[in-house]
This record gives sequence, structure tokens and C-alpha cells, in this order.
Amino acid sequence: EAEVAQSPRYKITEKSQAVAFWCDPISGHATLYWYRQILGQGPELLVQFQDESVVDDSQLPKDRFSAERLKGVDSTLKIQPAELGDSAMYLCASSLARDSPYEQYFGPGTRLTVT
Amino acid sequence: SQKIEQNSEALNIQEGKTATLTCNYTNYSPAYLQWYRQDPGRGPVFLLLIRENEKEKRKERLKVTFDTTLKQSLFHITASQPADSATYLCAWGNYGQNFVFGPGTRLSVLP
Repeated sequence: EAEVAQSPRYKITEKSQAVAFWCDPISGHATLYWYRQILGQGPELLVQFQDESVVDDSQLPKDRFSAERLKGVDSTLKIQPAELGDSAMYLCASSLARDSPYEQYFGPGTRLTVT
Repeated sequence: SQKIEQNSEALNIQEGKTATLTCNYTNYSPAYLQWYRQDPGRGPVFLLLIRENEKEKRKERLKVTFDTTLKQSLFHITASQPADSATYLCAWGNYGQNFVFGPGTRLSVLP
């Protein structure tokens, strides 16, 4: 069964350092999402791509976060510089399309700890 | 602002009973909602979708209802099992817009 791949699974970094996460969605899924999930809370959308274009990054802290999906396939989320408050689970999800209630398929997530 | 609430942070029930989880929304008119299951340290897994014109959906031991008057969805697990223990997330959406996830309810089914 096809799955969303994410790496690394765990990342520990010091504050002010740069960190990057990678996501490979399910083949054929046009829409890709990056979420941040703080322990005990629901996922919060950071950025959404339709193919290679950003369609929603209204919740992305653009002073330190950036995301790209250059060829409309895999994607990278970067934080520079990392802050203590960035410690969270970063989830990637993909779906067939945006304009329908398609289910989202989530990857296993990257657990980030900033010290 | 849009707000989504789930009835409680945690719910404990005995094995074999029916678990009922609640999701409420305010300042929002969703066209559909989805329920996801999330195990510790893992990403959410899709369970059920229900549209605003549907009153009820079922899948095996799962049932979800959507009441636009009460602005509420109920999620039921019948004949609950310890393996059903997990966090359950509701997510509301509109066509062309993104989901908004609730905070989740942590269900524990006690043997």
C-alpha cells in the first residue's frame, strides 16, 4: 500500500540552528500539506501546495519558515533559525486534489526538539 | 473566529460498551467533516467522511452523524475494544478551503 514518506523521523537541534524536513507524497497526489502538531493539540496547517504552487501559506511564519515543492512531487520544509517554541511534530500529508473532500494521507511525522 | 471543540480531552470506557465522541463548531458552516484516528507518535489515519446533506454514515463498528442545526457531529464506536484506544480527531472543511482540525479526544478502552 502506498504511503507518505517523511525524514528524518526525529531531529534534535539547538536554537538558532537551521533544520530541514523532507516529504515524499503518494504518487499521483497533486495536493501536499505541511502541518505542525503540538502535543495534545490537533494538526495546524502551515502550507499547502497544489502541484508545485503554494495555494495557502497564511499560517506559515515566513520570517523563519520556508517550503518548496520544486517539481510538484516531493517537498522540503525548512526552519532557520529554529526557536524553542518550534518543538513539535511536523506532519506531511497528501491528497488527490484540493477542491473535493478527499481524505488526507499522513506520513509518520518528524518529531523536532529544539534545545 | 472559527472554533472547533471536541467534548473532552480524554474518555475512558469499558470494553464492549459504545464510545461516543463529540465535535462542535461555531462561527463556521462546513460542507463536510472527516474523522481521523491518531496513535501516539504517528500521523492521523482517515476513518470516515460525512457531507452536510448526510445525516449518518457507517463503517463496520463506526458511525458518524452530522447535525447542522446543533452544529455538532457525533462519532460512535460500538462494541469497543482495547485496540480502539487512540486519539480521535475531527476535521471540518469546505470545498476549496482547508480543513480545520479539532484538538482531539483521547479514548481509552479498559479491558
